[in-house]
Amino acid sequence: EIVLTQSPGTLSLSPGERATLSCRASQSLSSSYLAWYQQKPGQAPRLLLYGTSSRATGIPDRFSGSGSGTDFTLTISKLEPEDFAVYYCQQYGSSLLTFGGGTKVEIK
Amino acid sequence: EVQLVQSGAEVKKPGESLKISCKISGYSFTTYWIGWVRQMPGKGLEWMGVIYPGDSDTRYSPSFQGQVTISADKSISTAYLQWSSLKASDTAMYYCARPRAVAGPLDYWGQGTLVTVSS
Repeated sequence: EIVLTQSPGTLSLSPGERATLSCRASQSLSSSYLAWYQQKPGQAPRLLLYGTSSRATGIPDRFSGSGSGTDFTLTISKLEPEDFAVYYCQQYGSSLLTFGGGTKVEIK
Repeated sequence: EVQLVQSGAEVKKPGESLKISCKISGYSFTTYWIGWVRQMPGKGLEWMGVIYPGDSDTRYSPSFQGQVTISADKSISTAYLQWSSLKASDTAMYYCARPRAVAGPLDYWGQGTLVTVSS
């Protein structure tokens, strides 16, 4: 099983600031099969990025992804009020999908 | 428009059985996998397993193998998650979600079904 470790656990930032979230895999991911999701309280998760850096339909370009192998990053260039949420990475390089533990982005 | 609509919240006692559903519309039910994700209170997301309704090929995460059953009814475009004997530790929100392939990003999600197991 591929274990994903997200850091930090919580990120306290102000609107307009840049957010950088990390996701580290326990083994190299084939073809960068890494996705990111956003979850707000009381809502289902929403797909943000897949294939490390491809934005899902309707996702604004302030969300970007990078990385390869075992280290991946989600960057939110300028935080909007609606971006404060929990973010999860997920690998789909094997048929056993796994998620990271999540990073909460909270208002400072 | 793709929609995954899940059945309503359930309150059950330990030892009882339960089957929750996920009704799909907006695409051909038999041509995409459907998976289930657990989220325990205040915790993260856990992949439970997936089914291909076209031929009922089903794959389970080792953590959930033998604990739940995933099934699908093509005639009504509905996927199911069921338990034969619930435990208090099954208390969680359960989401159905559509991956792009047997292992893929989950691009559509149901609204979730809250299952509470308490004596």
